[in-house]
Amino acid sequence: ETGVTQSPTHLIKTRGQQVTLRCSSQSGHNTVSWYQQALGQGPQFIFQYYREEENGRGNFPPRFSGLQFPNYSSELNVNALELDDSALYLCASSRTPTTNEKLFFGSGTQLSVL
Amino acid sequence: TQLLEQSPQFLSIQEGENLTVYCNSSSVFSSLQWYRQEPGEGPVLLVTVVTGGEVKKLKRLTFQFGDARKDSSLHITAAQPGDTGLYLCAGFTNAGKSTFGDGTTLTVKP
Repeated sequence: ETGVTQSPTHLIKTRGQQVTLRCSSQSGHNTVSWYQQALGQGPQFIFQYYREEENGRGNFPPRFSGLQFPNYSSELNVNALELDDSALYLCASSRTPTTNEKLFFGSGTQLSVL
Repeated sequence: TQLLEQSPQFLSIQEGENLTVYCNSSSVFSSLQWYRQEPGEGPVLLVTVVTGGEVKKLKRLTFQFGDARKDSSLHITAAQPGDTGLYLCAGFTNAGKSTFGDGTTLTVKP
C-alpha cells in the first residue's frame, strides 16, 4: 500500500512569486486535505477536496487555491507569496470526507519565502 | 472560529512518570482525534473519540472525550523516551472542516 507522498520536500521562493505543491494520496483514498503548519503551531486547515471538488475551506485568502485530479492526487497553489506563508505544508488523504475518518499525512513540503 | 487550546505547551519529565495533557474548546465537535508528530514528519493518528464521555485505551495511553464533546485529555502512564514528540488534538465538524490545537511538546528523559 503506497502512503501519502508530497513534493518537493523543500522549496525556497521570494515574495510575490507563485508556488505549486503536489500530493499523491494513499491508494483507495478519494479525499485530500491541505494544512499549513507554522513553526511552533499546530496544522491549520486550508481546504479539502473530495472527488475533484472543494469540500470545505478554512480561513485562507483566495490566493490559496487547489485542484484534485481524477486519480485523486492534488495540488496546492499559492499566488503572490508573502513572508508569512513560510511554513510546513501538509497534505492528508482519507478514504472518505466523513469526520471520523483517519487522516494519513505526508511528510510535508517546507516552504521558505524570502 | 473554533479554537482548541492545548495545555501544557511544553512538558519535560523523567522516564517512568505519569502525565496528562489537555485539549479544551468552547465549541462542540462531532469527533476529536489525537495525533503524534515527530520532527520532519507528518502527524500520525493515535485515536478517534466520538461519543461524549468515551474513554479509549491504547497500551499506556488513555484518551477521554468530555461529556459535552468540547474537551479531551490524554494520559500516559509510565512514560518512556519513545513517547517523546508533539501531541496534537484535532476537532472535526460535520462541515468537513478540522481544527488542530497548537500541541504539547513532550520530552521524556531516560
